Amino acid sequence: DQQVKQNSPSLSVQEGRISILNCDYTNSMFDYFLWYKKYPAEGPTFLISISSIKDKNEDGRFTVFLNKSAKHLSLHIVPSQPGDSAVYFCAASVYGNDYKLSFGAGTTVTVRA
Amino acid sequence: NAGVTQTPKFQVLKTGQSMTLQCAQDMNHEYMSWYRQDPGMGLRLIHYSVGAGITDQGEVPNGYNVSRSTTEDFPLRLLSAAPSQTSVYFCASSPHEGVISGANVLTFGAGSRLTVL
Repeated sequence: DQQVKQNSPSLSVQEGRISILNCDYTNSMFDYFLWYKKYPAEGPTFLISISSIKDKNEDGRFTVFLNKSAKHLSLHIVPSQPGDSAVYFCAASVYGNDYKLSFGAGTTVTVRA
Repeated sequence: NAGVTQTPKFQVLKTGQSMTLQCAQDMNHEYMSWYRQDPGMGLRLIHYSVGAGITDQGEVPNGYNVSRSTTEDFPLRLLSAAPSQTSVYFCASSPHEGVISGANVLTFGAGSRLTVL
């Protein structure tokens, strides 16, 4: 059973607007969350992360929000650019078991010009 | 600096054949792992290694073997391929200190697409 779920397989957004990607998890032991971005025919690349002791982490156009009580996190991309068109994976780990990342199924983002 | 290199990029096998997917990294990372990506399933951990001579099972280890004789290399072996092993395989690595802090920021290879007929 998947412990990390990305329920929206795809998202289409106009260039310049905000992209919001959602991720839910079931394991309350998760304490570190990461987002990876993947282009076709390439491996995923690290985008941004957040520890469970925080509720927000920002890096340029990318912000991740964590709501531990709801077991929910989201990734905001503002403003969206054509180069952001990719698959985005949410991942989580448990302290002390950090070797095992659990990934969601991914959300394909398409940024329209 | 090549990062994580996977070979081959594409492979077609017949059921029952064996093969090895190669993975090499030149970043002196202690931690290496193999994931498979299937539609609707995300990436699932097959096997991982925290250093030379040490390997352990991930979420979906059945049908796969690994070994880690050097820091640089982490091959994945399919002893008797099955159609259920048709997938895209990714090798990844990270420095040990990144893993133990919880920030397991993996560097991935470009992937190996395997089809088992």
